[in-house]
Amino acid sequence: AQSVTQLGSHVSVSEGALVLLRCNYSSSVPPYLFWYVQYPNQGLQLLLKYTTGATLVKGINGFEAEFKKSETSFHLTKPSAHMSDAAEYFCAVDNQAGTALIFGKGTTLSVSS
Amino acid sequence: DADVTQTPRNRITKTGKRIMLECSQTKGHDRMYWYRQDPGLGLQLIYYSFDVKDINKGEISDGYSVSRQAQAKFSLSLESAIPNQTALYFCATPARVAGGMADTQYFGPGTRLTVL
Repeated sequence: AQSVTQLGSHVSVSEGALVLLRCNYSSSVPPYLFWYVQYPNQGLQLLLKYTTGATLVKGINGFEAEFKKSETSFHLTKPSAHMSDAAEYFCAVDNQAGTALIFGKGTTLSVSS
Repeated sequence: DADVTQTPRNRITKTGKRIMLECSQTKGHDRMYWYRQDPGLGLQLIYYSFDVKDINKGEISDGYSVSRQAQAKFSLSLESAIPNQTALYFCATPARVAGGMADTQYFGPGTRLTVL
């Protein structure tokens, strides 16, 4: 069965520092992978996704993620954090039945000045 | 206008009361989903519907029921609310890529439900 593990429930960085949010997945077949962001009091918004093709995926707001099959990872990065990046981030994988996404437990990103 | 709307946005109720949460979407998608979000647990799937006549249980359907009134409307009911159903509830509708894989989900703004 597919699953997603997000390492670190809370990550803190300084403004301008590198953001790295970790996601590892378990899937028996090539997965579809997603990162969503949730700002306070809002629903989830798609940041980026990997389906097929290029393994380095660029998303909105300067975020990118790299699909590494050998490491079963899909870590989210941003070279320079902004205060506005403070939010909760969720990694998700398709459940392979075409019916739903399986979400990780989320990582809260805090950005300090 | 938002693609996915939910009403109410906030609700406080008492144990044993019946509650209905409503969701509407303008994306024209066939599929609609209800998720529950609890702090530290991520999102868990309650129910999903592929079309008006096709409704399926998710991983945590006990204590909940749904109704798909039309392609654009999908309601979640708590027949007899209990305190551990206090959570943030999201409706979503996914795009679907060729091959039937699940794709980008478009989320509503959420309903914060408190059961006293």
